Amino acid sequence: GAVVSQHPSRVICKSGTSVKIECRSLDFQATTMFWYRQFPKKSLMLMATSNEGSKATYEQGVEKDKFLINHASLTLSTLTVTSAHPEDSSFYICSARDLRGYEQYFGPGTRLTVT
Amino acid sequence: EDKVVQSPLSLVVHEGDTVTLNCSYEVTNFRSLLWYKQEKKAPTFLFMLTSSGIEKKSGRLSSILDKKELFSILNITATQTGDSAIYLCAVERGTNAGKSTFGDGTTLTVKP
Repeated sequence: GAVVSQHPSRVICKSGTSVKIECRSLDFQATTMFWYRQFPKKSLMLMATSNEGSKATYEQGVEKDKFLINHASLTLSTLTVTSAHPEDSSFYICSARDLRGYEQYFGPGTRLTVT
Repeated sequence: EDKVVQSPLSLVVHEGDTVTLNCSYEVTNFRSLLWYKQEKKAPTFLFMLTSSGIEKKSGRLSSILDKKELFSILNITATQTGDSAIYLCAVERGTNAGKSTFGDGTTLTVKP
């Protein structure tokens, strides 16, 4: 099946710094990528929809200036958590939909811890 | 607002038991319903259901969708300890680039 990678898999940063997370579709082109956040023992919460070549669409309550999304190519989307705070600590998961639009393929997730 | 409700929230069974997980939904412009299995990392895809009444099967897992009553079930027969995971149900819209709304999941624990 299709593969989506995320980097880094785990990151620890100090409060006030910015962290960039990359999401890559390795063997297919993805016009749309999704960014999710998952709290412990909770389900995935969609943060934003990232479309190649255009601005991301953010869900209600998600600050676009805090969570910067760039979808520069058909295989890469990045999420930058700016001026991170401890409450931003979470598991961030991306997914990508192939050009046929049938399935969503999830990346392995990035565990962010802000100290 | 789209809504996906899964039940039960958690379930403990013994190896060999059969389990049924439920997912009910309310969504505008329904496109598909998906089931995922999540162990320690990101969810892995199990099934995509778009039509009512057609059972999808993969080994000991099967799933069916009822678009009239707006629910789906996921069955696992002859459970094994490796089936222990969170099972997520998600519903996709046909608009807005097929955004998914996830349920809270059912945590299944299979004891030996």
